[in-house]
Amino acid sequence: GENVEQHPSTLSVQEGDSAVIKCTYSDSASNYFPWYKQELGKGPQLIIDIRSNVGEKKDQRIAVTLNKTAKHFSLHITETQPEDSAVYFCAANGGTYKYIFGTGTRLKVLA
Amino acid sequence: NAGVTQTPKFQVLKTGQSMTLQCAQDMNHEYMSWYRQDPGMGLRLIHYSVGAGITDQGEVPNGYNVSRSTTEDFPLRLLSAAPSQTSVYFCASSPVGTSGGEQYFGPGTRLTVT
Repeated sequence: GENVEQHPSTLSVQEGDSAVIKCTYSDSASNYFPWYKQELGKGPQLIIDIRSNVGEKKDQRIAVTLNKTAKHFSLHITETQPEDSAVYFCAANGGTYKYIFGTGTRLKVLA
Repeated sequence: NAGVTQTPKFQVLKTGQSMTLQCAQDMNHEYMSWYRQDPGMGLRLIHYSVGAGITDQGEVPNGYNVSRSTTEDFPLRLLSAAPSQTSVYFCASSPVGTSGGEQYFGPGTRLTVT
């Protein structure tokens, strides 16, 4: 089955700097890679996703890159703001509906 | 639209008790799923369903049962609660697509088993 590893587990950046979170997956059948943001006491919320036929996707300050050969994908947040502080999760679908999530990254944006 | 709703928000059970966590969605989504979230372990899939009458196991199905009699509802049953089932439980729904899609998560149920 699919296995997803996520690094780092915690990340602190100064406001205005960039943040990068990396994930690797094991199942080459995975074709959908979402990123979720979870604020304290709430359920996760999708912030960006990418499909296997695309190498990069951008939405304002957020971008995701996918390297299928190396089986890794990354989340990039530019010009970080205090409201970006949260826990971020990556996931892969193993080509099915059995989504496997990474263990999460706690991002702290320091003012 | 209310989106995905979960009840109760909090629950304390004694070891061996049974209970049902409720999940409902009003978006007519075919796909529904249950996850548990434990510190340092991310979200782990318990069971999922791609439509009424169809369910399948996720990563950690032992100790949990599900059924899907309607599109809207996807209850999770704990048959005999154990302290290892202390966790935060999230329900999610998504339109069924050929290669995955956004999952909409509920607010969660915090369960403590003593």
